[in-house]
Amino acid sequence: DAMVIQNPRYQVTQFGKPVTLSCSQTLNHNVMYWYQQKSSQAPKLLFHYYDKDFNNEADTPDNFQSRRPNTSFCFLDIRSPGLGDAAMYLCATSRRTVRVEGNQPQHFGDGTRLSIL
Amino acid sequence: AQTVTQSQPEMSVQEAETVTLSCTYDTSESDYYLFWYKQPPSRQMILVIRQEAYKQQNATENRFSVNFQKAAKSFSLKISDSQLGDAAMYFCAYRSGDYTGANSKLTFGKGITLSVRP
Repeated sequence: DAMVIQNPRYQVTQFGKPVTLSCSQTLNHNVMYWYQQKSSQAPKLLFHYYDKDFNNEADTPDNFQSRRPNTSFCFLDIRSPGLGDAAMYLCATSRRTVRVEGNQPQHFGDGTRLSIL
Repeated sequence: AQTVTQSQPEMSVQEAETVTLSCTYDTSESDYYLFWYKQPPSRQMILVIRQEAYKQQNATENRFSVNFQKAAKSFSLKISDSQLGDAAMYFCAYRSGDYTGANSKLTFGKGITLSVRP
C-alpha cells in the first residue's frame, strides 16, 4: 500500500547532540510537511516543501532544518536539541496541482517520538 | 490569521450512541476547506471527513457527518452509532482556499479526546 513512512518510531538523543529524523513516501506526492506535536496539543507546522521549494514557517526556530533530496524522501535535522524539543514529529504529504490541493487531505506518517536526555 | 477553536477538551459517549464534537473558526476568507482528523493513541492521524466552504450540502462519510454553518463559522462533527474504535483525539482543521505557499498549511484546533464507554 502507498504510504508515508517515518523512521525511527522512537529516537533518543542527548541535549545538544544533532539528530536527524527521516520520512519517505510512496504516494508520489509533491508536497511534504513536517509538524511538531507536543503532548495533547495540536500539530504545529514547522516547514514544508513544494517539490524543491522550501517554505519555512515564520516562528520555526533556526535550530530546525530540512532537506529533500528527491521526491520520496524528506529529512528533519535538529542541530542542537534542547529539552523543549522533545515531542512527536509528524511527516505528512499531499498532492498539489493547479487548484487541486485545497481539498486534498494530508497523509500522515506514524510519527517519530523524540526524547532528549 | 485564521484560528480554529475546539473548546471541549474531552468528551465521552456510550457505545452505539451519537456524539457531536464542536469546532468554530475565524476567517475573513470566503473560500476555504475544513477537515476533521482522527488520531488514535500512538497511531497515525487520518482524515475523517472534509468540507468545501462553497458547498452548502453537509459532508457525510458513513457514520460521520458534519453540520457546517458558514455564517456562524461552525463546523461540528457528528458520530453516529459510536464504536470502541472511535476512541481517539479528534482535530478540526482549516485550510485557505488560496493554498499556495504560506497558505498551504492546515491550521489545527487543540483537539478533543473522545472516549467510548462499552
